[in-house]
Amino acid sequence: KNEVEQSPQNLTAQEGEFITINCSYSVGISALHWLQQHPGGGIVSLFMLSSGKKKHGRLIATINIQEKHSSLHITASHPRDSAVYICAVRGSNYKLTFGKGTLLTVNP
Amino acid sequence: NAGVTQTPKFQVLKTGQSMTLQCAQDMNHNSMYWYRQDPGMGLRLIYYSASEGTTDKGEVPNGYNVSRLNKREFSLRLESAAPSQTSVYFCASSYREGNQPQHFGDGTRLSIL
Repeated sequence: KNEVEQSPQNLTAQEGEFITINCSYSVGISALHWLQQHPGGGIVSLFMLSSGKKKHGRLIATINIQEKHSSLHITASHPRDSAVYICAVRGSNYKLTFGKGTLLTVNP
Repeated sequence: NAGVTQTPKFQVLKTGQSMTLQCAQDMNHNSMYWYRQDPGMGLRLIYYSASEGTTDKGEVPNGYNVSRLNKREFSLRLESAAPSQTSVYFCASSYREGNQPQHFGDGTRLSIL
């Protein structure tokens, strides 16, 4: 059983909508990462957080350590946001465990 | 600003053939990683190198070997390729092991017939 669960697996939105992707994990962690993978495969690190909230442009990531849950929000979504969003957690051994990803499609 | 460079981008092999995937980073990072990505699964760690001169097994090391040639380069070798090793392989690097963001290469798509 994967220790990192993402929901939903697939998400289709209209341009301009507010989007939320969720990540739950079952083990204690030292940090949580959100990554973006575009069609064609390249992976980019969006956020690394261990508490609270981080914001970069239209992207916001939050984490609740007590509930072992994180969310990635996209405000005013755009077709160029279409990608796979991956949650990964870093445990006490400093290794990353990855979720299976959420495929986001934003239609114009 | 190249970041992490992987070669080749695509490769088709026959079962039993060998090959080496190359990875180089120009960010002066100490730690480097090899992952594989398969449909319906999260990225899985094959091997990593916390610093120059050290390598360690990850979650799925069987059938692979690695070499940390120098601080910049970390190669992954398949000695006798098997169809189960058909995957997309990603190299990544970070300044050091621990709570650091990882920078990924563009991936190598490997098919084994």
